[in-house]
Amino acid sequence: EAEVAQSPRYKITEKSQAVAFWCDPISGHATLYWYRQILGQGPELLVQFQDESVVDDSQLPKDRFSAERLKGVDSTLKIQPAELGDSAMYLCASSLRQADIQYFGAGTRLSVL
Amino acid sequence: GEDVEQSLFLSVREGDSSVINCTYTDSSSTYLYWYKQEPGAGLQLLTYIFSNMDMKQDQRLTVLLNKKDKHLSLRIADTQTGDSAIYFCAEKGGATNKLIFGTGTLLAVQP
Repeated sequence: EAEVAQSPRYKITEKSQAVAFWCDPISGHATLYWYRQILGQGPELLVQFQDESVVDDSQLPKDRFSAERLKGVDSTLKIQPAELGDSAMYLCASSLRQADIQYFGAGTRLSVL
Repeated sequence: GEDVEQSLFLSVREGDSSVINCTYTDSSSTYLYWYKQEPGAGLQLLTYIFSNMDMKQDQRLTVLLNKKDKHLSLRIADTQTGDSAIYFCAEKGGATNKLIFGTGTLLAVQP
């Protein structure tokens, strides 16, 4: 069964360092989402791509976060510099089209020390 | 604004039915979803319901939607220890198509 792949599964970093997360959506899925899930809360959308274009990044802290999906397939989310409050689970999801069901990857657990 | 609320915790005995409740605020929501999250894992889609339906049944799962009260519930029949997890309700807003999640309900199943 096709899955959304994310790496790494776990990342520990010191504050002020740069970190990057990678996501490979289900093959053929045009829409890709990055969510942040703080412990004890539900996921919140950071950025949504339709193919290689950003369609919603209203909740992305653009002073330190960036996201790209250059060829409209896999995607990278970067944080530079990381802050203590960035410790969370970062989840990637994909859907066939924008209005379709979203399928989630296993996530990357980030700990900032 | 859009907001989804859930109770934090539910404890049931194995074999009993579980009912997890959710309220939402966006009356233009097109779809409502239930996702399951096991410890340290991503979200697994359990079921969803279109906003013009009031009930959907899928094996042990029954979803009830009261659109007037903006209330959604998930009933799990014959709850098993493997059902222990956090359950998230989510609404899909008509304007943006993005998912708005609740805070999650931790379901603990006692043997």
